[in-house]
Amino acid sequence: AQSVAQPEDQVNVAEGNPLTVKCTYSVSGNPYLFWYVQYPNRGLQFLLKYITGDNLVKGSYGFEAEFNKSQTSFHLKKPSALVSDSALYFCAVRDSGSARQLTFGSGTQLTVLP
Amino acid sequence: EADIYQTPRYLVIGTGKKITLECSQTMGHDKMYWYQQDPGMELHLIHYSYGVNSTEKGDLSSESTVSRIRTEHFPLTLESARPSHTSQYLCASRGTGFKSDEQFFGPGTRLTVL
Repeated sequence: AQSVAQPEDQVNVAEGNPLTVKCTYSVSGNPYLFWYVQYPNRGLQFLLKYITGDNLVKGSYGFEAEFNKSQTSFHLKKPSALVSDSALYFCAVRDSGSARQLTFGSGTQLTVLP
Repeated sequence: EADIYQTPRYLVIGTGKKITLECSQTMGHDKMYWYQQDPGMELHLIHYSYGVNSTEKGDLSSESTVSRIRTEHFPLTLESARPSHTSQYLCASRGTGFKSDEQFFGPGTRLTVL
């Protein structure tokens, strides 16, 4: 079985400050990990993914995420937050060995305050 | 911008009506998905398809049905809409090959059943 947890429903950060959105996962095999962003009344947009290789993955809009196998985490980060980054962020996982569908986390609402 | 389309974007309808939510993609993807999402909440997979004439139920039980007669088209039908069906419905697709791990989402259909 595969699962993903986003422990924070809401994250608030001041514009210009670094932001972190947390994600932990559970799979029996090797994980494929993803971050998606959803703006109001829109579908989900792909941000970045980890499949293999470098643990630090860079994605769209200046976001990056660090894969940590020992902590089974894949936290999303950005060095300097923008007000326009305010949105709903979803982490997702797929077990590379067995699963064919993504399992999504419950989402974290990020609010960047001006 | 992903080439995956959903119509209508918004639908308000009375109880008991039959409705079909349309989803089309022009990327030639073989895998397509339907998710149900309450506002600001997590995504629940309700149907998926791995190709023409292939449909499966997802993790969340749904009274809706789907069909996959053409690769590019994956409509979702509710035979008799009820207020409990009020939600946002997101369609997604995924291809094969190098970018096969990325799942592309449509803009969603927000359904309200009165």
